[in-house]
Parts: sequence; structure tokens; C-alpha cells
Amino acid sequence: EAQVTQNPRYLITVTGKKLTVTCSQNMNHEYMSWYRQDPGLGLRQIYYSMNVEVTDKGDVPEGYKVSRKEKRNFPLILESPSPNQTSLYFCASAPAGWQPQHFGDGTRLSIL
Amino acid sequence: KQEVTQIPAALSVPEGENLVLNCSFTDSAIYNLQWFRQDPGKGLTSLLLIQSSQREQTSGRLNASLDKSSGRSTLYIAASQPGDSATYLCAAQKTSGSRLTFGEGTQLTVNP
Repeated sequence: EAQVTQNPRYLITVTGKKLTVTCSQNMNHEYMSWYRQDPGLGLRQIYYSMNVEVTDKGDVPEGYKVSRKEKRNFPLILESPSPNQTSLYFCASAPAGWQPQHFGDGTRLSIL
Repeated sequence: KQEVTQIPAALSVPEGENLVLNCSFTDSAIYNLQWFRQDPGKGLTSLLLIQSSQREQTSGRLNASLDKSSGRSTLYIAASQPGDSATYLCAAQKTSGSRLTFGEGTQLTVNP
């Protein structure tokens, strides 16, 4: 089954404790992206990647890191999480940057 | 900076009704306009993508139109069903592969 898989789905952690949210797609897509969704602010793009080893900042990259060492994986790294990063995070992929994106089911992060 | 607005924020209709969801954007220099559906606890599902050179796209009971000059797109849902209940989001993309700018969505409830 074609899918985008995020792990974990839920995480409660504390300020400053490094964490990684993994994202994997099995569709051989070139394009991958991370979003966060917050009430009143909607979905905002954090980082995106047009291809392996190519990443670019989205609207809200501060406090996040990403890497794209291989096509299928695009992990989101929070080096020193803070409470304002409490949010619902989505990973997405697409065959190319201009094509419809397939979304994972989301990761709900709570930073205390 | 592109801003995308969706009105109304919520809509409740009886089953069988035809309905229109609205999306407006401030910068008409877009590459494409995309419509998504989001179910509670789930990621987004792509519904329709309209390229800037197109006026409309259709998929089943869904029809999306695009008027770049006025900065507007509409999603028409024919013969609505309870299974159509979800949040519908539109997103504008400025160039191929660039970030998507999302509206906050319209929460649709179709009552049996």
C-alpha cells in the first residue's frame, strides 16, 4: 500500500530534550515536506526537499532541522524543543514539487 | 506575501444539497491551486489540483474552479452526502516545488 509513515504518532516530552520524528514514504517520490498545524494559524510549511541531499526552508524553519540522505526518508529533528513547538506535525511526499502531495497521519507533539 | 482565506469557517447542510466552498488568495501569481480534505485525526487527502492555465478541474461530484484575476477559487460539491463531512482546505503554490500556502479551512457537516 502506498503510504507516508510518521513515527511516533504521539509524544509528550520536556523542554530541551532532543527528539526526532521520522517520515518514510514507499512511493519513490522525489519531493518531501514537513508542516505544522496550529489552531488559528492553519498549516505552515517547515522544510521541504526537492530531491536527495537538497533541502530548503519553508515558512517556519526556526528550531528545526531536516536531512534527506536517501529518497524514502525525511526526518524532522528538534535539537532543543521548546513549548512553542507543541503542535500537530505532518509529513508529505509527491512525485515532483508541483504535483499533489500525499500526507502522513500526523504526529502530535507536546513539549512541556 | 501570499495570504489564503476560506469563508465560511464552518458550514452545515442537509444531505443532498449542492454546496460551494470559497477560497481567496491575495497574490494572483500562482502556479497552481490545490484543494484538500482533512478528516479528524488524519492527514490531508488531495482532491483536486488546478494549474494556473486551467479554469477548472472535475473529479466525480467535485468541481473546482479558478479565477486568477480575481484571486478566487471555488469547490463545488454536488449532491452532498454525510461521508463528505470533513474540513476542506485550499492551498496556493507560487512556483513549481515552492511552498504551499494554506487557508485555515472550511469545516463541513452534512446532516443525514
